[in-house]
Amino acid sequence: GNSVTQMEGPVTLSEEAFLTINCTYTATGYPSLFWYVQYPGEGLQLLLKATKADDKGSNKGFEATYRKETTSFHLEKGSVQVSDSAVYFCALSDQGGSEKLVFGKGTKLTVNP
Amino acid sequence: EAQVTQNPRYLITVTGKKLTVTCSQNMNHEYMSWYRQDPGLGLRQIYYSMNVEVTDKGDVPEGYKVSRKEKRNFPLILESPSPNQTSLYFCASSTLTGGDYGYTFGSGTRLTVV
Repeated sequence: GNSVTQMEGPVTLSEEAFLTINCTYTATGYPSLFWYVQYPGEGLQLLLKATKADDKGSNKGFEATYRKETTSFHLEKGSVQVSDSAVYFCALSDQGGSEKLVFGKGTKLTVNP
Repeated sequence: EAQVTQNPRYLITVTGKKLTVTCSQNMNHEYMSWYRQDPGLGLRQIYYSMNVEVTDKGDVPEGYKVSRKEKRNFPLILESPSPNQTSLYFCASSTLTGGDYGYTFGSGTRLTVV
């Protein structure tokens, strides 16, 4: 079945550091890919998405490019802030008719001042 | 404001005592789903609904029931809760093409079964 593998955390960075969180997927067909963010005590929020190969999703300084050849969707940000501390989830849409999102296990990011 | 509302936010209950977690959305979304989040396991789908009176099992449906009598509501029912159902639960909704438009999530319900 479809699956998502993302780098294990936790990840700890200093403010203004460069962030990469790796995400690779296994899927049949052509899924849409997502990054969700979960701030402490809150639900998940959609951060960005890409619906086809070579699409780049971007939001709030975060970017991710849909790479079909490497089945990857790595999340990057050039300069993180303390307010970016959260858990980040990579996900793909399961296009088998159930509209289900399949999630990775999440990566906790802590940014120190 | 477009949102998914879950209640309660926190719940402690005893083994075997039936409970219901409510979920309501105000976006006229056809698709609704329940997930549980556990450390090291990420989010796993419990049940989903494509529209009123249409529900189906997700990956971990054992011990749960759902109903979809109205488009806006999708309650999660635990008929006889057990300690292994202690978890953080999320309700989500989307348009029927949810795979492309993403989900809107509720704030979560932290359930403890003792």
